[in-house]
Amino acid sequence: AQTVTQSQPEMSVQEAETVTLSCTYDTSENNYYLFWYKQPPSRQMILVIRQEAYKQQNATENRFSVNFQKAAKSFSLKISDSQLGDTAMYFCAFMKLIFGNEKLTFGTGTRLTIIP
Amino acid sequence: EAGVTQFPSHSVIEKGQTVTLRCDPISGHDNLYWYRRVMGKEIKFLLHFVKESKQDESGMPNNRFLAERTGGTYSTLKVQPAELEDSGVYFCASSQEQGDEQYFGPGTRLTVT
Repeated sequence: AQTVTQSQPEMSVQEAETVTLSCTYDTSENNYYLFWYKQPPSRQMILVIRQEAYKQQNATENRFSVNFQKAAKSFSLKISDSQLGDTAMYFCAFMKLIFGNEKLTFGTGTRLTIIP
Repeated sequence: EAGVTQFPSHSVIEKGQTVTLRCDPISGHDNLYWYRRVMGKEIKFLLHFVKESKQDESGMPNNRFLAERTGGTYSTLKVQPAELEDSGVYFCASSQEQGDEQYFGPGTRLTVT
């Protein structure tokens, strides 16, 4: 079974600063996806960024980037130039790349607060 | 395009009662997932529909939970009888193809007293 661990229950950072959220996972699979989801206070969870395990290049989406270390089973999220709208719960998630088994396995989340 | 919708947004029931949660996926999405987050813990998978068929129900906690997706459109999740430990936020998600991004609904917060 897969497990996902987020060791930072809460974090806060000043607006415009850079923050890194950590995530580690455990799996015996070789092919999988990793995700960061964001759930703002209004509750709708949205996908921030996705990484395919077979890709060596780290995924980036504007101010969001990941540091994917496959051997270390680490998948951290970096938010650059943080904005007030980045305040949210952030969930790291894992999905096997096996047809018929697309369930997401989540970590416990990190509550990020951006301070004005 | 309308997103995933869930009804109700919040439900408070007494132990032993029945509650039915509803999820309307994005139109055209064959895949529908139910997840649950119990207070402060991780979001856990409950089950996965492909159209009207249950593809994976390995996460359903016990036989007090019944999920249906008649006609392959909306889905319902019934809890009967509800227990205190069923309290939490129930999320629904949908995707067009298996392996695609899953789009989440706002969740239903269930409180069993």
